Amino acid sequence: KAGVTQTPRYLIKTRGQQVTLSCSPISGHRSVSWYQQTPGQGLQFLFEYFSETQRNKGNFPGRFSGRQFSNSRSEMNVSTLELGDSALYLCASSFGNVQGVYEQYFGPGTRLTVT
Amino acid sequence: AQTVTQSQPEMSVQEAETVTLSCTYDTSENNYYLFWYKQPPSRQMILVIRQEAYKQQNATENRFSVNFQKAAKSFSLKISDSQLGDTAMYFCAFKEYSGAGSYQLTFGKGTKLSVIP
Repeated sequence: KAGVTQTPRYLIKTRGQQVTLSCSPISGHRSVSWYQQTPGQGLQFLFEYFSETQRNKGNFPGRFSGRQFSNSRSEMNVSTLELGDSALYLCASSFGNVQGVYEQYFGPGTRLTVT
Repeated sequence: AQTVTQSQPEMSVQEAETVTLSCTYDTSENNYYLFWYKQPPSRQMILVIRQEAYKQQNATENRFSVNFQKAAKSFSLKISDSQLGDTAMYFCAFKEYSGAGSYQLTFGKGTKLSVIP
């Protein structure tokens, strides 16, 4: 079974631009979560989507948004990029609704650099 | 919100030796799940081991085992017969229920483990 895939793997943007990152979960997984990883703040939860609905959101400004499609693929968008948005963005998928199954499986991440 | 603390920013171990990584957490929940994830230089986050809080038996996965002390809110990872491929950042994570059927992982800051030949 294929793992979680994220595209693109690397991205360089300038301040003020916007960016869209994509995540394809493991087949059968309906939950997709996004995390931001920086050296200073570590891993921080952004949001989770399940069946095309945002089910949970972390403490990030409204510039960070996302969506999920009917095939469970998810996109994350960051508008008006700031230097501090430079980070590794990780996507994780899980079944999301299977009792007793709680593991999240991570993709390889998208390295975003804002200049 | 729950907190997860990894008090050892960096550790090193000789190849074939045993090393223990520490993790403590704070929660008022009774039923929860804990995980150790490994992130090698490739940046791919890999699940190493999981522990259900309601299980008294410590989880084991080949060379990896945990020492789960629920009363002390401690969840340490023991790596036996360390191999060069174990060199990575190790993150302790707590599964937190956020309502509406949603769960999120709260991570510690990580421990950078270096296995020395």
